[in-house]
Amino acid sequence: EAGVAQSPRYKIIEKRQSVAFWCNPISGHATLYWYQQILGQGPKLLIQFQNNGVVDDSQLPKDRFSAERLKGVDSTLKIQPAKLEDSAVYLCASSLERELFFGEGSRLTVL
Amino acid sequence: GNSVTQMEGPVTLSEEAFLTINCTYTATGYPSLFWYVQYPGEGLQLLLKATKADDKGSNKGFEATYRKETTSFHLEKGSVQVSDSAVYFCALSGNQFYFGTGTSLTVIP
Repeated sequence: EAGVAQSPRYKIIEKRQSVAFWCNPISGHATLYWYQQILGQGPKLLIQFQNNGVVDDSQLPKDRFSAERLKGVDSTLKIQPAKLEDSAVYLCASSLERELFFGEGSRLTVL
Repeated sequence: GNSVTQMEGPVTLSEEAFLTINCTYTATGYPSLFWYVQYPGEGLQLLLKATKADDKGSNKGFEATYRKETTSFHLEKGSVQVSDSAVYFCALSGNQFYFGTGTSLTVIP
């Protein structure tokens, strides 16, 4: 069974630039999550989708972050404009029966 | 609200030593509890889970028991290997998943 796919694995940008991350969840998983993991910390939920609807985006900085899940499958997370403090690993996960499956993450460095 | 508190690291052990990483939680209702492991450069992987009180999750020699009376889910392994070097996260699932801050383990030969 294919796992959660994410791209790009690494991205380096300058502050005020924009960046987009892509995620393809495990086939059949209706719930998709984006987490932000800052070095030395646990994952922090940014947004949770159920099919193509948003379940929870209370911790998403909506002035600069946006996410969508077209057709209830793939998802894209965008940051515009990026700040230095956005440097982190962005993890995508999908879930089935209360178990999370993570992708390898996209590491963002903002200079 | 829901939260997870886990033992601060980093932890350094010699090969074949006994490992305990403490995890306590606060939760409303009856959450499931998890330990996830993150190897260098990789995403998080489920290590083990327990879905109700007194359940014991186990995998790859690691164990953790869901203790409702002490609100704990401590991770243990009797004899660690160099390949166990990773960051370990305790987590619970309520209306969403809540993660601890992670404990870094280094096992030296």
